[in-house]
Amino acid sequence: KAGVTQTPRYLIKTRGQQVTLSCSPISGHRSVSWYQQTPGQGLQFLFEYFSETQRNKGNFPGRFSGRQFSNSRSEMNVSTLELGDSALYLCASSKTGQGVGNTIYFGEGSWLTVV
Amino acid sequence: GDSVTQMEGPVTLSEEACLTINCTYTATGYPSLFWYVQYPGEGLQLLLKATKADDKGSNKGFEATYRKETTSFHLEKGSVQVSDSAVYFCALSDPFEGNQFYFGTGTSLTVIP
Repeated sequence: KAGVTQTPRYLIKTRGQQVTLSCSPISGHRSVSWYQQTPGQGLQFLFEYFSETQRNKGNFPGRFSGRQFSNSRSEMNVSTLELGDSALYLCASSKTGQGVGNTIYFGEGSWLTVV
Repeated sequence: GDSVTQMEGPVTLSEEACLTINCTYTATGYPSLFWYVQYPGEGLQLLLKATKADDKGSNKGFEATYRKETTSFHLEKGSVQVSDSAVYFCALSDPFEGNQFYFGTGTSLTVIP
């Protein structure tokens, strides 16, 4: 069974540009959530999608957005990139995204460097 | 709000030594508790979980017990191996607060031969 797949794995962007990251969840999983990981802030929740609807959102500026498609694949977009957006962006999927013991499964992440 | 506090690292141990990584949590509801592990250059992998008080999660020789009275979920292993070198994250999820996971800051473990 294939795991969570994220593309691209590595990318370098210039300040002011925008970036789109893609995530394919485990087959049958309908919930996709996104996290930003940095050495200083650790893992921070960005947002969660279920059935193409954003169900929960973390405390990030509006430059960070996402969407989910009917096949549960998800994309996140960061516009007007800042140096501080350099991070590992992790996507995680789960079957329903709710319930006791609900487990999320992570992809390997997309490493974004902003120069 | 919900939060997780875990032991600061880095931790360096000799092979076959005992490991304990402390984790305490604050939650308004009845959270599920998790330990995830991250190997260099990879995403997080689920190590173990527990969903109610006194539950013990275990996997690959690692164990953690959900202690509601002390709001703790300490990770333990009796004999570590070099292959256990990684960063360990304690996390909680409140089933009544959506799917948002709250993670600790991570504890880096290095096991030397």
